[in-house]
Amino acid sequence: KQEVTQIPAALSVPEGENLVLNCSFTDSAIYNLQWFRQDPGKGLTSLLLIQSSQREQTSGRLNASLDKSSGRSTLYIAASQPGDSATYLCAVGPSGSARQLTFGSGTQLTVLP
Amino acid sequence: GAGVSQSPSNKVTEKGKDVELRCDPISGHTALYWYRQSLGQGLEFLIYFQGNSAPDKSGLPSDRFSAERTGGSVSTLTIQRTQQEDSAVYLCASSLGYSSYNEQFFGPGTRLTVL
Repeated sequence: KQEVTQIPAALSVPEGENLVLNCSFTDSAIYNLQWFRQDPGKGLTSLLLIQSSQREQTSGRLNASLDKSSGRSTLYIAASQPGDSATYLCAVGPSGSARQLTFGSGTQLTVLP
Repeated sequence: GAGVSQSPSNKVTEKGKDVELRCDPISGHTALYWYRQSLGQGLEFLIYFQGNSAPDKSGLPSDRFSAERTGGSVSTLTIQRTQQEDSAVYLCASSLGYSSYNEQFFGPGTRLTVL
């Protein structure tokens, strides 16, 4: 059974700092990996999708990497802003006949002005 | 275009009552998923629909939970004889299909409170 772990559970940084969020998964046979952000009381907003054949994806100040062999992904946020404060979730898309995403428990990020 | 929509946004019910939660996926998306997010359990998969194929119900926690998808579009999640442990945020997602290219897009969720 796939398990996804995110460390740290919470992170607080001053505005302008670059930061890295970590995600690890136990089964490397995956289709893709998706990073989401969730604001309090809201649904999930998709940030980046990395296919299993890719090493990284970039969108604006965000860069996500994937190392399937070691079961790790990182989300790099450059020049953080208070508006980046949210919970960031990593989710792994499986291979085989299953269809669902398996989620980590998230990293709660606070960017202090 | 319009994203995934869900209704109601909040639902308060009494233990033992039945509830129906609705999801409108993004137009043209053939895959639809229901997830549940609760304190201490994180986000867990409930059920998946893909086109006209039989749904994958492997995540439904009990036979009190059921879902249908009419005309390949709107989906309804029904919880019968609700229990307090059913209190959670129920999230719906849709995608163009199932491949490694397809992102899942989520709705805002329905917060269910069972008193």
